[in-house]
Amino acid sequence: GQQVMQIPQYQHVQEGEDFTTYCNSSTTLSNIQWYKQRPGGHPVFLIQLVKSGEVKKQKRLTFQFGEAKKNSSLHITATQTTDVGTYFCAGTNSGGYQKVTFGTGTKLQVIP
Amino acid sequence: NAGVTQTPKFQVLKTGQSMTLQCAQDMNHNSMYWYRQDPGMGLRLIYYSASEGTTDKGEVPNGYNVSRLNKREFSLRLESAAPSQTSVYFCASSERSTLGYTFGSGTRLTVV
Repeated sequence: GQQVMQIPQYQHVQEGEDFTTYCNSSTTLSNIQWYKQRPGGHPVFLIQLVKSGEVKKQKRLTFQFGEAKKNSSLHITATQTTDVGTYFCAGTNSGGYQKVTFGTGTKLQVIP
Repeated sequence: NAGVTQTPKFQVLKTGQSMTLQCAQDMNHNSMYWYRQDPGMGLRLIYYSASEGTTDKGEVPNGYNVSRLNKREFSLRLESAAPSQTSVYFCASSERSTLGYTFGSGTRLTVV
């Protein structure tokens, strides 16, 4: 079945440093979604990427979808303490009923 | 606009007891989902309902049953709870599977 892997599993950064998490799928995806979950909270939808090579920005967050539509990345510039949480990617397979598979997440800790 | 409402927020069960987790959404979404979240395992799909009147198994359906009562409500039932079902359970909904999910605030279930 479809597998979606995320690296790293954990990341500690000093406030102001940049942060990147990577998402890799075993199969070609029709789209990829990114979510953020604050400690003790629930996942919140951030963005969806659909096109090969697509790049989208939300303030300090930059999302990329790979050319082959099998990988994606989330980059945060100049992290702040409000960025603390776990970031999940979720890939939608490209055939049949389009199921969404969540990655295992990257837990970000920002040290003030 | 409440979004996705889950009840209860916390529950402690004894092994062998049964219970139903309730979920309701007010966004007129077609698709609804039940996930469990365990440390290091990400979000794993238990059951989903692509549209009113249909339900299908996800990745980890054993020990669970679901009912899509109407377009708004999707319940998850544990018939005979086991300690392995200790987890955080999230309900989610979306207009369709290829669009971003809205999650409820979760139910923290402990089975002793």
